[in-house]
This record gives sequence, C-alpha cells and structure tokens, in this order.
Amino acid sequence: AQTVTQSQPEMSVQEAETVTLSCTYDTSESDYYLFWYKQPPSRQMILVIRQEAYKQQNATENRFSVNFQKAAKSFSLKISDSQLGDAAMYFCAYRNGGGADGLTFGKGTHLIIQP
Amino acid sequence: EAGVVQSPRYKIIEKKQPVAFWCNPISGHNTLYWYRQNLGQGPELLIRYENEEAVDDSQLPKDRFSAERLKGVDSTLKIQPAELGDSAVYLCASSLGSNQPQHFGDGTRLSIL
Repeated sequence: AQTVTQSQPEMSVQEAETVTLSCTYDTSESDYYLFWYKQPPSRQMILVIRQEAYKQQNATENRFSVNFQKAAKSFSLKISDSQLGDAAMYFCAYRNGGGADGLTFGKGTHLIIQP
Repeated sequence: EAGVVQSPRYKIIEKKQPVAFWCNPISGHNTLYWYRQNLGQGPELLIRYENEEAVDDSQLPKDRFSAERLKGVDSTLKIQPAELGDSAVYLCASSLGSNQPQHFGDGTRLSIL
C-alpha cells in the first residue's frame, strides 16, 4: 500500500516571502502521479499542481513549483511571493498511474501567512 | 461549468439515527469518489464509481455504510445507524476518467451527538 507523509503540521511565512512544504511518499509502483491540494476553511479541495512520475521536469504553476526527487521519493511544494490568500491546509496526494484510482493523502500542513 | 455539488452542507444527528448525503458530479464526469475526512487528517477514499458501477469499495464499512449511483450521475452515501465515530466531513469528487484530475465538492460536515 502507498503512504504519504507530511512531517510539518504547521508552517508560517511572512507575506511576499517564499515557503517550502515537504512531502515524502512510499510506493513500489513506477507509474504514478503526485498532487498538491489546497483546502481553505470553506473545505473545498482545490488542485494546486500535479506531477507525473515519468516526467523529469518539475511542474510549475505561476507562483507554485515542485521539487520532485523520484529516487528519494520526495515531492516538496515551493510557494513564491506568498499572499494572504495562500493561507490554508495543504495536502500532498498520490495516485497510481494507468487508471482512475482514488487519491492517498498525507495529513496536511497548515500554512499561516503573516501580514 | 458548475462544480461538484453536495448537500447538505451540515448535518447534526443523534447516534443510531440514519443519515444520507447527496452528490451531483460535474456534467460528463464518469468517475465519482466518496472520501471521509476526519478532523486533522487528510481525506480517505470510501468508494469509487465508474458510471453506475462501484469498482472500488474496499474501504467502505459495509455493515453500516451504503452507496448508490443510479443512472451513473448523482450519488447518495448512507449511514445506518450512525455512530459517534462517524463524525467527519464527507467529500465527493468527480473526474472525467482515467488520469484526469479529481474535482471536489464543498463536503458535508456530519456531527453525531
């Protein structure tokens, strides 16, 4: 079974600065996807960024980028120029490739933005 | 396009009572998921549907939980009877199919008294 570990229950960053959220995972599969989801207090899970395991290039979406280290099974999220609206719970998630399997989530990191 | 719609948003019931949650996925999305999110945790998959067929229900506590997706569109998740440990947020998600991102609804927060 796959597992996802987020070792930072809470992180705090000053507005406009950069923060990195950590995630490690364990799998015996070679084909899989990794995701970062944002969950504000409204509860809706919003997809931030996704990475295909077969791609060596790290995914980027505007201020959000990942550092995908496949050998180390590490998948960190970097948020540049942090904004107040970035404050939320962030969940790292894993899914096997080749199908529509459910997601395996980590426990989440609570991100606080200091004005 | 309209997102995944769930109702009710909140539900408070006494233990041993039945409860049902409803989900309307994004139009055209064949795959539908139900997740349970306990306080301070990430969501955990309960069941996955491909059209009207439940293709993965291995994590669904079948003694008290049931789900259906008649006609392959809307879905209902039921708990009967509810127990104190069922207090959680129940999230519904849908996707267009294989290897497509999952889109989540706002969830139903269930509180058991």
